[in-house]
Amino acid sequence: ELKVEQNPLFLSMQEGKNYTIYCNYSTTSDRLYWYRQDPGKSLESLFVLLSNGAVKQEGRLMASLDTKARLSTLHITAAVHDLSATYFCAVSPSVGGATNKLIFGTGTLLAVQP
Amino acid sequence: NAGVTQTPKFRILKIGQSMTLQCAQDMNHNYMYWYRQDPGMGLKLIYYSVGAGITDKGEVPNGYNVSRSTTEDFPLRLELAAPSQTSVYFCASSYSQYEQFFGPGTRLTVL
Repeated sequence: ELKVEQNPLFLSMQEGKNYTIYCNYSTTSDRLYWYRQDPGKSLESLFVLLSNGAVKQEGRLMASLDTKARLSTLHITAAVHDLSATYFCAVSPSVGGATNKLIFGTGTLLAVQP
Repeated sequence: NAGVTQTPKFRILKIGQSMTLQCAQDMNHNYMYWYRQDPGMGLKLIYYSVGAGITDKGEVPNGYNVSRSTTEDFPLRLELAAPSQTSVYFCASSYSQYEQFFGPGTRLTVL
């Protein structure tokens, strides 16, 4: 059974600082997604990582995937208050991948303080 | 494009009542999904469909049913509502194995 773990679960950081959120998963997968969720809102797609070594960047966020280590990271550079949200990683198992079922992590609540 | 739409936005049910959560997408996506999100948690897959007439169970299907008669619509039926089904329900769609796009959610309370 595929399990997806994120850490930390809660992250309070100051504006201007850098930090990394980690996403570990337990079985083989070659597709990993990062989503953002604002309070009371739906999920917004941030990144789709499809291969080992994939790296994607958008603004102050950069995501990477290491399929051999079963690890993805979401790096935040020079945080600003607007980045405050909950961030989820989600993994699609390689077995039965044709269905595109996703297993979500529990999320990381990011609070950026001025 | 409206994307993925869901109705209703909010609903309160009494124990034992039934209801249907509606989901529609206008992106011509073949894959559609239903998730639930409990407070402070990630999403769990209830049911999914890879095309009209084809549905299958996800992680937490008990107490729910789905149908997919058209590409656009994917309703979720709750029979005999229970307090454990209090949650926020999200519908999503994707083109095959690409990223999933989520609807705004339905907040359901069962009392």
